[in-house]
Amino acid sequence: GENVEQHPSTLSVQEGDSAVIKCTYSDSASNYFPWYKQELGKRPQLIIDIRSNVGEKKDQRIAVTLNKTAKHFSLHITETQPEDSAVYFCAAHYGGATNKLIFGTGTLLAVQP
Amino acid sequence: EPEVTQTPSHQVTQMGQEVILRCVPISNHLYFYWYRQILGQKVEFLVSFYNNEISEKSEIFDDQFSVERPDGSNFTLKIRSTKLEDSAMYFCASKSNQETQYFGPGTRLLVL
Repeated sequence: GENVEQHPSTLSVQEGDSAVIKCTYSDSASNYFPWYKQELGKRPQLIIDIRSNVGEKKDQRIAVTLNKTAKHFSLHITETQPEDSAVYFCAAHYGGATNKLIFGTGTLLAVQP
Repeated sequence: EPEVTQTPSHQVTQMGQEVILRCVPISNHLYFYWYRQILGQKVEFLVSFYNNEISEKSEIFDDQFSVERPDGSNFTLKIRSTKLEDSAMYFCASKSNQETQYFGPGTRLLVL
């Protein structure tokens, strides 16, 4: 069935360290993988996304990698800052033209100053 | 920059009552979605809407739920007879022909 697994559920790092969050998806037909950042009580905000024809994408301190064969994708945040603290959700696009998103279970990232 | 808007921000209702959650998607978008997020859990897909009809719905979206685009700007989610377990944050999202979905600020629904 449609499923996205996400690990870890919580992640605590020191300011300046790197953080890595990993996801796996079940449907090999998925071709679009966004990452959303959600601060407490706020809407999910898109921070980066990757399409299946690309293996890696970078935007300043944030990068995403995709391994289509293994159905894995990961978020990498370098030089973490306290304002990076939030819940991060990965998602995979399912359903052809419907483009519904199936979300992972979320990772609570805490960056300790 | 245009954003998806939602009203109300909070809604408290009694079990068995009807509620209507309202959304104004980004104006040139064609695809509309409702998701919900139970406190502390992941975001779950409810329904997608395109070309004035439902294109897909999840198992959560049972006969108590309905969606409507009554005019050119609003997109509503109605829950006919609310249950305690309907308490959640409900997010509307919209997108153009590109993949990126933009989320509204959400409506926090509390059913007592």
